[in-house]
Parts: sequence; structure tokens; C-alpha cells
Amino acid sequence: DIQMTQSPSSLSASVGDRVTITCRASQSISSFLNWYQQKPGKAPKLLIYAASSLQSGVPSRFSGSGSGTDFTLTISSLQPEDFATYYCQQSYSTPLTFGPGTKVDIK
Amino acid sequence: QVQLVQSGAEVKKPGASVKVSCKASGYSFTNYAITWVRQAPGQGLEWMGWISAHSGDPYSTQKLQGRVTMGTDTSTGTAYMELRSLTDDDTAVYYCARRRLSFSGSGSLSFFDIWGQGTMVTVSS
Repeated sequence: DIQMTQSPSSLSASVGDRVTITCRASQSISSFLNWYQQKPGKAPKLLIYAASSLQSGVPSRFSGSGSGTDFTLTISSLQPEDFATYYCQQSYSTPLTFGPGTKVDIK
Repeated sequence: QVQLVQSGAEVKKPGASVKVSCKASGYSFTNYAITWVRQAPGQGLEWMGWISAHSGDPYSTQKLQGRVTMGTDTSTGTAYMELRSLTDDDTAVYYCARRRLSFSGSGSLSFFDIWGQGTMVTVSS
């Protein structure tokens, strides 16, 4: 199975900050990487697919990059509604696996 | 609008079975697969498998094989997931989601664009 790790596991940031979350795969997954946002008590929401493609309706302040084993999710200017937990997920091979999540909270 | 609506919360005893349903609307049900993901309290996301709504072919993780059945009813646009021989470790919120595919020179990538609201399954004696 492909193991996914994320760093940091949590971070505190202020509105307007630029935030970067890193995801690493245990082996190369090309660009088969998706990012989801989850708020407490809610279902995950797709943000980015194929490493860098922005899902329809997602604000352009979210962006993704990377390929192979190292990926990043960037929020260019953090907004109040962005405080949530973010998960990466690989779709390179089954079983599909998620990272452990990065919780973004208010500084 | 495009949505997935799941059945309500369940409380089961260890050893019992649970069946969670996921009703699709707003899109052509048979054009997509439905995936199942669960989340134990305070934990991360665990992918359970998926089922093609077109062919009915399921795939579940090795961890769950033998205990889980995934199916669809195309007449009602509903997917379901049944989990048997429940233990405390199966206590979780269970989500269904629609699987979409993105094609590139490297192959096809799966991602989950529409999610149900989640169904809490509690296993307790």
C-alpha cells in the first residue's frame, strides 16, 4: 500500500496569511493526487484533483502543485471559512489512501 | 441539484450487520461509480472501496473483504453498503461519494466530487 504523510499535522495562521501544506507519498504517484477540505461535522469537499486542477466552484486562492512523491497545497490568502482540516489522497493504485490530515486553525 | 443523500444513524451490537444507503439525484446514476469512505471518531479518512453503478462490479479493500457488500439499485438510483460482523472498531461515520475520472497520458485518476452527508454507525454492547 502507498503511505501518505502530511506536514505539518497542524498549524495556526491568521486571516490573510499564505499557507502551505505538504504531502508526501511513499512511492512515485505521478500526478495522481487529490486534496480535500473537511470542516467539523461535515463531509469532505474536493478542492484539487490531479495535483493541480482546481475543482469547479473552488476559490482561486487554493492551488496545488507537485508530482512524483512531493506535493503542496497553497492557500494564497487565508480566509475565515478556510479554517478546517485538509487531506491529501492518492489515486495511483488501490487501495486508495489518504494522508493523516493537516488542521488549520486560527492564531 | 446533484446530491447524494444517505440513510440515518444506526446503533448496532457487536456481531451484528449494518446497511447504509446512498440515494443519488441530479445526474445519471449509471454514468459514475460510488465509493465508500469511513471516518472513526477523531480520526482520518479510510477508503473502503467502490462499485460501478453501470456494471455493478464492486471492489473493496483487502482489510474489509469478506465482511462488506456493496451494491446498487439502478431503478432507484441508490447505492448501498452492508458491513457484517461489526466490532467496536467499525464505529465511524460512513460516507458515500461519486467517483469521477480524469484522463491523462499517465492513465485515469479517480477523485470524489460529490459526497453524501455521512451516516454515523455506532457499535456498542
